[in-house]
This record gives sequence, C-alpha cells and structure tokens, in this order.
Amino acid sequence: KAGVTQTPRYLIKTRGQQVTLSCSPISGHRSVSWYQQTPGQGLQFLFEYFSETQRNKGNFPGRFSGRQFSNSRSEMNVSTLELGDSALYLCASNLGGTGEETQYFGPGTRLLVL
Amino acid sequence: DQQVKQNSPSLSVQEGRISILNCDYTNSMFDYFLWYKKYPAEGPTFLISISSIKDKNEDGRFTVFLNKSAKHLSLHIVPSQPGDSAVYFCAASGSGGSNYKLTFGKGTLLTVNP
Repeated sequence: KAGVTQTPRYLIKTRGQQVTLSCSPISGHRSVSWYQQTPGQGLQFLFEYFSETQRNKGNFPGRFSGRQFSNSRSEMNVSTLELGDSALYLCASNLGGTGEETQYFGPGTRLLVL
Repeated sequence: DQQVKQNSPSLSVQEGRISILNCDYTNSMFDYFLWYKKYPAEGPTFLISISSIKDKNEDGRFTVFLNKSAKHLSLHIVPSQPGDSAVYFCAASGSGGSNYKLTFGKGTLLTVNP
C-alpha cells in the first residue's frame, strides 16, 4: 500500500506571496492532519480534516487554512507569507474512526520564505 | 506550556547496548502515546505506541513503558544498532475531540556508535 505523499517536496517563496501544499493520504484513510516543524518550536499541530470538514484546529493564525476533498486528499494554504513561515510542513493520515489510531506521516514539504 | 517534554536533547550509546529515551507529560487527558523516529528532511516514521490501559508494549527490539502515576514513558531499544541513529519524538493524544491531534516533545537525538 502506498504511503502518504506530499507535493511539492521543496518550495521557495517570497514574503507576501501565498502557497498551496498538497497531501494524498494512504488509501482508505479518511483523516488528514497537518503539522509544522521548525527548529525552535518543534512539531506543532495545524489542523485536522475528516470527511471534508475541519475537525480539530491548532493555535495558528487565520493565514493558515486547509481543505479536504471527497477523495480525502487535502491541501493547505498559507497566505501573506512571512519569514517565520519557513518550515517543514508535514501531513499525516489515519483511518479517522474513534479510538486510538496511529498517524502515518508523509515526507513533508520544505518551504523557504525569502 | 510544553505538555510533552523530552528533557534530553541528545543521547549517545555504544552499538549493542541499551538505549533509553525518556518522555514526561503533564496533561492527564492524554491516553495514547507514540514514538516516532525521524531523519533530517524526512517525515516521522512510526515506531511503537501504547495505550494508557497498558504499562508495557513490546515490538522486536523496541519496548515502551508507561508509568501513568508519574506521567512518564520511556522507549528502550535493545540492542542498539548504528542504523537507529536518528531523532526520536515522543507524542501524545487525548480522548474525545482531540483524539487526532498529536502533541510532540522536542525530540532526542540518538547516536549509536559502532
């Protein structure tokens, strides 16, 4: 079974621009979560989508948004980029049912904001 | 407020010996704990998990111990191999609506010397 895939793998943008990152979950997984990893803050939860609805949200400004499509693929958008948005953005998927489930991560998208 | 703490930024062990990585948490609502291994510029790879109803879970060379009263968990790797060298993250999730939000520690860099 193919793992979580993310595109693009690397991205360079300038301040003020916007960016869209894409994530395809493991087949059959309906929940997709997004995380930001930076050297200073570590791995931080952005939001989680299930059945095209945002179910959980972390403490990030409204410039960070996402959506999920009917095939469970998800996109994350960051508008008005700031230098501090430079990070590794990770997507994770799981089945999305109740109970304890492991989240499986993709390879990440490395975003550099100049 | 850091709810999951890995107090040792780094650990160095000899090949063949035991590696013990520690993690403390403060949120008593956490009831599912996971360990991930991460190489630079890659997504975290799931290693092992434990539910709060257990105090030990074993998978090959990896064993996770959970002490709920102390809010402490540890990952034991026996025997350690050079290929285990990576950053190890402890993560926790809670029940109910926050089930799919993982809270991560800052990670411990494990170096296994040949």
